[in-house]
Amino acid sequence: KNEVEQSPQNLTAQEGEFITINCSYSVGISALHWLQQHPGGGIVSLFMLSSGKKKHGRLIATINIQEKHSSLHITASHPRDSAVYICAVRGSQGNLIFGKGTKLSVKP
Amino acid sequence: GAVVSQHPSWVICKSGTSVKIECRSLDFQATTMFWYRQFPKQSLMLMATSNEGSKATYEQGVEKDKFLINHASLTLSTLTVTSAHPEDSSFYICSARDWQAVNTEAFFGQGTRLTVV
Repeated sequence: KNEVEQSPQNLTAQEGEFITINCSYSVGISALHWLQQHPGGGIVSLFMLSSGKKKHGRLIATINIQEKHSSLHITASHPRDSAVYICAVRGSQGNLIFGKGTKLSVKP
Repeated sequence: GAVVSQHPSWVICKSGTSVKIECRSLDFQATTMFWYRQFPKQSLMLMATSNEGSKATYEQGVEKDKFLINHASLTLSTLTVTSAHPEDSSFYICSARDWQAVNTEAFFGQGTRLTVV
């Protein structure tokens, strides 16, 4: 079993839909990251969470430490949101342990 | 925000040659940099942890003599793929931590797509 599990693996949505991507982890963490990877491979850090909830624009990230679960929400989705979204947890050495990613495609 | 610059963004090389990838933190000092590799349709996997002024720590299954890492300064780490083979073709990406912050955002380079022919 992977230490970081994401669901769904693939997600297709219509423009304007509310989107949720889930992440569960099985190891102790000091922080959880949500990352966005574009088709060219470049990675952008969206959020770093250790508790509660964070919001940035149309993006919302939540984490439940007791349940070892985090969600990334996108409100009013847009085609430019199409990308791979990756959940990653920070290991004991400071490195990140990645989920396999969720490929999101938002259709106009 | 903090910026990590990785160069080159893509490279094509012949089998048997060596390729050097640079990772620079532009506006902060990074005592630790991480090198990751991503094969097509796979998740990112940690290859090695690079610490300034000391030897890198390699993950199991990563050959330290093939993937040479040098972290000679607080702003630069390099990964050299020696005697490259086609199976080394992959996406390589670095990330860096700001040494002054205990728990920081992950700052990533742009990544390097290596193709060995």
